[in-house]
Amino acid sequence: EPEVTQTPSHQVTQMGQEVILRCVPISNHLYFYWYRQILGQKVEFLVSFYNNEISEKSEIFDDQFSVERPDGSNFTLKIRSTKLEDSAMYFCASSEEWGQGAHEQYFGPGTRLTVT
Amino acid sequence: SQQGEEDPQALSIQEGENATMNCSYKTSINNLQWYRQNSGRGLVHLILIRSNEREKHSGRLRVTLDTSKKSSSLLITASRAADTASYFCATVYQTGANNLFFGTGTRLTVIP
Repeated sequence: EPEVTQTPSHQVTQMGQEVILRCVPISNHLYFYWYRQILGQKVEFLVSFYNNEISEKSEIFDDQFSVERPDGSNFTLKIRSTKLEDSAMYFCASSEEWGQGAHEQYFGPGTRLTVT
Repeated sequence: SQQGEEDPQALSIQEGENATMNCSYKTSINNLQWYRQNSGRGLVHLILIRSNEREKHSGRLRVTLDTSKKSSSLLITASRAADTASYFCATVYQTGANNLFFGTGTRLTVIP
């Protein structure tokens, strides 16, 4: 069964460093998302992406964050200058369609980002 | 906030019993989805119920939706130890956007 994959599974970085989290969405999906979950807290929406541009973003997704689909399979989340509070599990998700039709989002296993 | 809120926060039952988890939300939704998360792992999609649906089944799972009360419930029948996980409801707001707003989750423990 097709699945969303994410690499790395765990990333440790120092405060102020740039990190890139990578995702490979399900191949026939067109809509891509990033969420994060700080330990012990809710899963929070960060950004959605379609047709090579951001569709929606939350207040969390500030200028330090960016997303890119560099090729036909990868979807990346970049954090330019990490802060301690960026430590969280980051989930990538994808879905077939969008809008008023209801479409399941399929999540990857997550990347645990630890900022020291 | 459109986010769902689950109750109870934690539930412990014996294997074979049924488990019921509830979710409430605050604004009109397009659909509501339930997810499972094993400790430290990813989110697994369980079931989606649209705003014009009242009940949906999938195997041992039964989901109901009451839009007048802005609430949903997830029933797991004949629970198994492998059902031990956190269960989250996630709502999609009725704006055309497809962002999921997650609740705080219910931690289910099934005792063998």
